[in-house]
Amino acid sequence: EVQLVESGGGLVQPGGSLRLSCAASGFTFSSYWMNWVRRAPGKGLEWVANIKEDGSEKYYVDSVKGRFTISRDNAKDSLYLQMNSLRAEDTAVYYCARGMFDSWGQGTLVTVSS
Amino acid sequence: QSALTQPRSVSGSPGQSVTISCTGTSSDVGGYNYVSWYQQHPGKAPKLMIYDVSKRPSGVPDRFSGSKSGNTASLTISGLQAEDEADYYCCSYTGSSWAFGGGTELTVL
Repeated sequence: EVQLVESGGGLVQPGGSLRLSCAASGFTFSSYWMNWVRRAPGKGLEWVANIKEDGSEKYYVDSVKGRFTISRDNAKDSLYLQMNSLRAEDTAVYYCARGMFDSWGQGTLVTVSS
Repeated sequence: QSALTQPRSVSGSPGQSVTISCTGTSSDVGGYNYVSWYQQHPGKAPKLMIYDVSKRPSGVPDRFSGSKSGNTASLTISGLQAEDEADYYCCSYTGSSWAFGGGTELTVL
């Protein structure tokens, strides 16, 4: 069974940093593109970033370029999202999702507030 | 990187059919057959319901169907059931990224 478990969310002040992790199991992690998707309170889903199987290609939504970095460790079956210079508008539940979004984790809540 | 356009809400009675539209442009919905639909219940993770415009993953009832015409994709749910009440999102490949719709709240009356 495919499982994706996010962790690392929490409360952080504007301008602060946070690193999210996603632990994968039940499939060959190194064979899939991986994504981060978020849902802000009262809003819809927003694709944030994705990374190729070997980490050689990474893409971001314009609003996080230069602030967020997606990475992966295939030896640990893990996906990461380093979030710097956080803003109030980054407050959301962050989900990791496999490939073309066929499997999702339960999400981790990030709250940016003073 | 604009969001795709969906109606904010739709409703229907049990047993009826509803259709949710998803309008984009020739750079996303109209340009690729990588349109998918997701169901999300409150507090739960999104669930893939339709991929590649009209394909259903294993386990998804055949009451759910997808189609596309030009820059607009559609999700049709026939034989509405109470458990179908949820938020629904479309998603399309844009050539270098992905775009989701704003979401549609389905109410089963």
